[in-house]
Amino acid sequence: DSGVTQTPKHLITATGQRVTLRCSPRSGDLSVYWYQQSLDQGLQFLIQYYNGEERAKGNILERFSAQQFPDLHSELNLSSLELGDSALYFCASSGAGNTEAFFGQGTRLTVV
Amino acid sequence: AQKITQTQPGMFVQEKEAVTLDCTYDTSDQSYGLFWYKQPSSGEMIFLIYQGSYDEQNATEGRYSLNFQKARKSANLVISASQLGDSAMYFCAMREGLGSQGNLIFGKGTKLSVKP
Repeated sequence: DSGVTQTPKHLITATGQRVTLRCSPRSGDLSVYWYQQSLDQGLQFLIQYYNGEERAKGNILERFSAQQFPDLHSELNLSSLELGDSALYFCASSGAGNTEAFFGQGTRLTVV
Repeated sequence: AQKITQTQPGMFVQEKEAVTLDCTYDTSDQSYGLFWYKQPSSGEMIFLIYQGSYDEQNATEGRYSLNFQKARKSANLVISASQLGDSAMYFCAMREGLGSQGNLIFGKGTKLSVKP
């Protein structure tokens, strides 16, 4: 158990809809990262938050947004969903004193 | 720009044999960290091993070792005494800077299959 919790584990939704993925980082970790894993694109970095502030942005679509709340949990919002958004979405966290990022179990999103 | 290259889409190894998974990287930074993660069929990402760019010794963690050749920009993962449970996807990743707050850039992965 990495200590990073993602909910839900699975999500099936229709095209055009909006969903919210939730992540609770390991206790004390200030950084939260979101990654998308799809068969054709591999593991793509989406966005990073550090202590509530956006720290780095990767290949995140404008239809996607994220935030980190004062209790350090984070949410990834995906809107106007398309079939191609179907993927495994990972949240990871890291903190001072750790070199590695700890990953959650992922949320498998299926857009139908 | 950072880049991680894993040239072996798939590998087979006999149980109890050793196997090397290749990883080369490209960065202009002097300070960086290299990581290997394992992703079994269940989907979770499991951290295996880390090597900092200034570490003089190759990192080892149990049956995993990282063959770090800085001049060649390679960071190959060696798994000794393969077990059936080692069958999984393996990802090489890099973070620029030696702190813990930068994002990881991943390679496309190598699928390892261990044969009994």
